[in-house]
Amino acid sequence: SAVISQKPSRDICQRGTSLTIQCQVDSQVTMMFWYRQQPGQSLTLIATANQGSEATYESGFVIDKFPISRPNLTFSTLTVSNMSPEDSSIYLCSVEEVDTQYFGPGTRLTVL
Amino acid sequence: GESVGLHLPTLSVQEGDNSIINCAYSNSASDYFIWYKQESGKGPQFIIDIRSNMDKRQGQRVTVLLNKTVKHLSLQIAATQPGDSAVYFCAEKGNDYKLSFGAGTTVTVRA
Repeated sequence: SAVISQKPSRDICQRGTSLTIQCQVDSQVTMMFWYRQQPGQSLTLIATANQGSEATYESGFVIDKFPISRPNLTFSTLTVSNMSPEDSSIYLCSVEEVDTQYFGPGTRLTVL
Repeated sequence: GESVGLHLPTLSVQEGDNSIINCAYSNSASDYFIWYKQESGKGPQFIIDIRSNMDKRQGQRVTVLLNKTVKHLSLQIAATQPGDSAVYFCAEKGNDYKLSFGAGTTVTVRA
């Protein structure tokens, strides 16, 4: 399966600031996804990152709050904008290979 | 609504015993199911999958059972080891490309 890395692995941020999370894959993939995992909870899909076009957002998530870039088939970024303590979560990227999704290690964000 | 859930949020098992983790799903159109293991501080790790045209699939020390009649999925871990302590999620895929995740079961292995 694809090897996925994320940067940063964790961060502590002040409210009102923004953080950009990077996701790098070691092979070209068509489908990339961003998830949020709140403390002690399951995974919630934020959006599907489409190469060459705008991301497709799930209900409850908007582009102004979570802008996504997908400049090529091996890389994507998720920005968490104007952060509040409620944004404290693990943010995970995943890629699809033959129907199965494989996940990166996650970015642990704490907003003070 | 359509959802995937687990019957029990926690499971405590003696080392060496077999573990059974259950999951109920409500979308009868789901045709692909995956079990993930998430250790503390890590991302979810693929364990095993099963398609709706099968009712059983075996891996290394793990078996997934699918009962489409009652929309039930289970993961069996043989000879549970301390390294099996983690949160286990079931996920299902329906008519689109998206995965829906269950709430998760925390497995604790007692020495």
